[in-house]
Amino acid sequence: SQQGEEDPQALSIQEGENATMNCSYKTSINNLQWYRQNSGRGLVHLILIRSNEREKHSGRLRVTLDTSKKSSSLLITASRAADTASYFCATGGDGSSNTGKLIFGQGTTLQVKP
Amino acid sequence: NAGVTQTPKFQVLKTGQSMTLQCAQDMNHNSMYWYRQDPGMGLRLIYYSASEGTTDKGEVPNGYNVSRLNKREFSLRLESAAPSQTSVYFCASRLYSADTQYFGPGTRLTVL
Repeated sequence: SQQGEEDPQALSIQEGENATMNCSYKTSINNLQWYRQNSGRGLVHLILIRSNEREKHSGRLRVTLDTSKKSSSLLITASRAADTASYFCATGGDGSSNTGKLIFGQGTTLQVKP
Repeated sequence: NAGVTQTPKFQVLKTGQSMTLQCAQDMNHNSMYWYRQDPGMGLRLIYYSASEGTTDKGEVPNGYNVSRLNKREFSLRLESAAPSQTSVYFCASRLYSADTQYFGPGTRLTVL
């Protein structure tokens, strides 16, 4: 079964605005990752945050993690038309076996209008 | 580096036919994964190979088999395709010491 849910399922904003996507999960995790998928393409890793971190930045991306609420958010600042894509959160961490398995959310589809 | 490559890009099968999806990576990664992506469902893990010589079931393994041919290659076989296997299939790989996965471009499979 899916680990959690992403909210909203779809988001449409104007270029220059900020976009916020949320992800909730169910089990204990070691890390949470965000991936982007352009239409018809494979997923590309954006950013990873570990369970002992609360916030992380990478360029225009800001990720927060609240392990007490089992939730994360991805903020894209000053969005561009090129940010139009689907965004997925994925949780990892399965103890000592280190299989690297990830459980993906259902994704948020972001449209940035020029 | 080509990264993760998948063949074919598109495939149409009839119910009951068999086929093998190929995946290769040139990043010297240890672990490899097969996912399927259906509309509104995100990605679901079919099978994975944590290291060369091992394979294990993921969330949705029924109807599939895998082979970790060597460190570079990980194939997914559908022995008797069913319409429910219509999906986009992604292969991914990971270096053992890291958590990030690298994805191939996908194979779009339609089963009639």
